[in-house]
Amino acid sequence: DLEMTQSPLSLLVTPGEPASISCRSSQSLLHSSGYNFLDWYLQKPGKSPQLLIYLASNRASGVPDRFSGSGSGTDFTLKISRVEAEDVGVYYCMQPLQIPPYSFGQGTKLEIK
Amino acid sequence: QVQLVQSETEVKKPGASVRVSCRASGYTFTGYYMHWVRQAPGQGLEWVGWINPNNVATYYAQKFQGRVTLTRDTSISTAYMDLSSLTSDDTAVYYCARESTANYFGLDVWGQGTTVTVSS
Repeated sequence: DLEMTQSPLSLLVTPGEPASISCRSSQSLLHSSGYNFLDWYLQKPGKSPQLLIYLASNRASGVPDRFSGSGSGTDFTLKISRVEAEDVGVYYCMQPLQIPPYSFGQGTKLEIK
Repeated sequence: QVQLVQSETEVKKPGASVRVSCRASGYTFTGYYMHWVRQAPGQGLEWVGWINPNNVATYYAQKFQGRVTLTRDTSISTAYMDLSSLTSDDTAVYYCARESTANYFGLDVWGQGTTVTVSS
């Protein structure tokens, strides 16, 4: 199975400061279409996961523009330009290309200072 | 509005089976795969499988092969996950989530989750 590795596993961020999460896959997620099949999800405390970014860099509907995704092949990054209190939760990357199974990263817990 | 509404909490004994349902509304049910993802207490997300409601094609994670069956009833826009031979390791919150069968836009709508507890 394809493995997804996130780092760091936890983040403590001051409101208004930036944050960055890395996700590395054991195989390339670059499809022949030119798209990288890598998503980012946020699971807020006590809630269901919600889609933030799909195809590496596309923000889902309603996602604030302080969230951005980048990367290609095996290395991807989620950036939050200015962290807000509502951004706390666990962030997961997920690959839907090399299936089955769809693979999630271990998760990165973001907390506010 | 688009939503997925899941069935209520289940408590089962080891060796039993469980059925979790996921009722879709606000969109064309047959136009989206339905995924099932689970989360054990304090753990991360684990993909279980998906079903294409249009043609009943299914894809399962190897870990669950032989124990999980995904089905659907298009007349009531509802997907089902049946999991058999339950052990305490199956104690988790089970989520359904949809994915477009046309173009890829991620798993963009999730259910509220169904807690399954396996205990003697």
